[in-house]
This record gives sequence, structure tokens and C-alpha cells, in this order.
Amino acid sequence: GAVVSQHPSRVICKSGTSVKIECRSLDFQATTMFWYRQFPKKSLMLMATSNEGSKATYEQGVEKDKFLINHASLTLSTLTVTSAHPEDSSFYICSASGSAYEQYFGPGTRLTVT
Amino acid sequence: QQQVKQSPQSLIVQKGGIPIINCAYENTAFDYFPWYQQFPGKGPALLIAIRPDVSEKKEGRFTISFNKSAKQFSLHIMDSQPGDSATYFCAASKETGTYKYIFGTGTRLKVLA
Repeated sequence: GAVVSQHPSRVICKSGTSVKIECRSLDFQATTMFWYRQFPKKSLMLMATSNEGSKATYEQGVEKDKFLINHASLTLSTLTVTSAHPEDSSFYICSASGSAYEQYFGPGTRLTVT
Repeated sequence: QQQVKQSPQSLIVQKGGIPIINCAYENTAFDYFPWYQQFPGKGPALLIAIRPDVSEKKEGRFTISFNKSAKQFSLHIMDSQPGDSATYFCAASKETGTYKYIFGTGTRLKVLA
């Protein structure tokens, strides 16, 4: 149980375009979803927290207009990187929580902006 | 006060050895402490978690030791295997608020065959 999927697993886009990443909880309802960014050989950096039907709460320093998060249902959250630039290239990981504590992570999405 | 300090940064052990990874926290409001295992190019997977009302928890070959007074907790991997070679992250969370995790910096473990 507690399976979280992400799509796509890898994406390459050109500078200036937008990219959408989907995060789905497959076998449970996720009241809260989290989006992280991870640089090579580094820890996970929380970008934002989203609750179903509510606006996302962004961490300090994360641009709301660049990283658009939508948590439309209890099983789906999306992260859209708008007007992507090479510095946005990274490994993006979502997690989903159906209870107060436990977070289950997706497999991650490798974004490369050329 | 929101930091979780993790050590060592990297660790090499022989097969069958018992690697120990340590984490320390400052915020006494934290009340949930999970450990995650991450392989290269993959998302973290929950290994085991503990709450402050117990001092030790075992799941298979993984054991968490928790010292509330010292605000420290450790992961022990019994009979380590080459397949355990991965990066391990500790984290801390608290019941109030958004339940978001504060992650440690990670420990890269290599188990030699």
C-alpha cells in the first residue's frame, strides 16, 4: 500500500517553456501533498505544501509564480514550472500524506532545461 | 532550532557489519522521527519511524534508538548487505501545523561485499 506515482519520470524542455509534473496517490487519499527539490548529493528541500482544494503554502524563497501548484483532488497534485530556465533543472519529488505524520514519496522527476 | 543534524556524511562498512547513523535535533516540539532510504535516481522510501514515547523500535534489520533527554536518535542496520548501499535521511516533524518534515543532510552508506 501507500504508492505514489509521478509523471513524467524525465523531461527535457527548452528555456522559456512550461512543464507540468503530476503526482498521484494510487491507493489512498492524500489530504496533504508536498513538493521537494533535490540537488545532486544533497538533501530534500521543501518547496511547498498543498491541501486538497486550498492554495499551496510556499516555503520562503520559493517563487509562487514560477512554481504553480494545484491540488485538485485527494489523489492528484500538479507542479508546473513556468518559463523554465537552465537553473530550474533539478530532481523534483512529491510526497503524499493521508494521516498526520507519514509521508510517502513518489519516484521523482528529472527536469532538464536546455 | 528547526535543524536536524545528521552524521556521518558518508560511511563504509563490510558486509555483515552494523552501520550506525546519528541525528540530533533542537526543537522539543518534534514528535515524529522517520528514516528514509534513497537509491540514486529514485524517491525516498520510508524505512522505519519512531515517536518520543519509546526508546527503541525494530523492523526487520533496522532499529531506531531514541534518546529524548539528549534529543538524539540513531539508525542501526543489522547484518548489513551490499543491497543496503544507499543514502539514508533522518527527519523530524511535529503534530501541530502542517506536519512538514525537517530533513537531515543525509548519509551515503556503502556496504562492501
